[in-house]
Amino acid sequence: AQKVTQAQTEISVVEKEDVTLDCVYETRDTTYYLFWYKQPPSGELVFLIRRNSFDEQNEISGRYSWNFQKSTSSFNFTITASQVVDSAVYFCALSGPNAGKSTFGDGTTLTVKP
Amino acid sequence: NAGVTQTPKFQVLKTGQSMTLQCAQDMNHEYMSWYRQDPGMGLRLIHYSVGAGITDQGEVPNGYNVSRSTTEDFPLRLLSAAPSQTSVYFCASSRTAPGETQYFGPGTRLLVL
Repeated sequence: AQKVTQAQTEISVVEKEDVTLDCVYETRDTTYYLFWYKQPPSGELVFLIRRNSFDEQNEISGRYSWNFQKSTSSFNFTITASQVVDSAVYFCALSGPNAGKSTFGDGTTLTVKP
Repeated sequence: NAGVTQTPKFQVLKTGQSMTLQCAQDMNHEYMSWYRQDPGMGLRLIHYSVGAGITDQGEVPNGYNVSRSTTEDFPLRLLSAAPSQTSVYFCASSRTAPGETQYFGPGTRLLVL
């Protein structure tokens, strides 16, 4: 069975602070895929990134960066110089060979205060 | 290209009523899935389909039925609504290759009284 744990339920920061959202996963699949989604207050799910289990390279996209470490089964997400518009619920998700079946963490609610 | 569409956006039901949540996609995706999102929780998989005529259960299938007669549509039926089914329902679609990104609809907010 697959499991995704986002231990941080809520995080509050002041604008321009850096913040890291943690994600720890469990799976028996040797090939798997990790995702991060953003859910703003409007409720839709916005895809942020996908990473496969064979690619441990860290990735940076603007103020966002992701750190994937197979040794610790973690896929953490860092927002640099946070902004109020970053306020949202962030979900980490895991899928195996079947693209239609994803396991989600319970999400981390990020509040960025001006 | 509308992506994934869901209707209705919001619905109120009484306990015991039945209804169908509609989901359609115009991207010719083979995979379609239904998830529910309860307050403070992530999305949980209800049912999914790997193509027309093929469906399977997810993590929380009880109380729901699905069928997939076309590639485009994947309706979710609540047979006899219960207050425990009050939730936000998301439909998603994706291509078949492993690890393909799922595209999510805007969600249907369901309240069962």
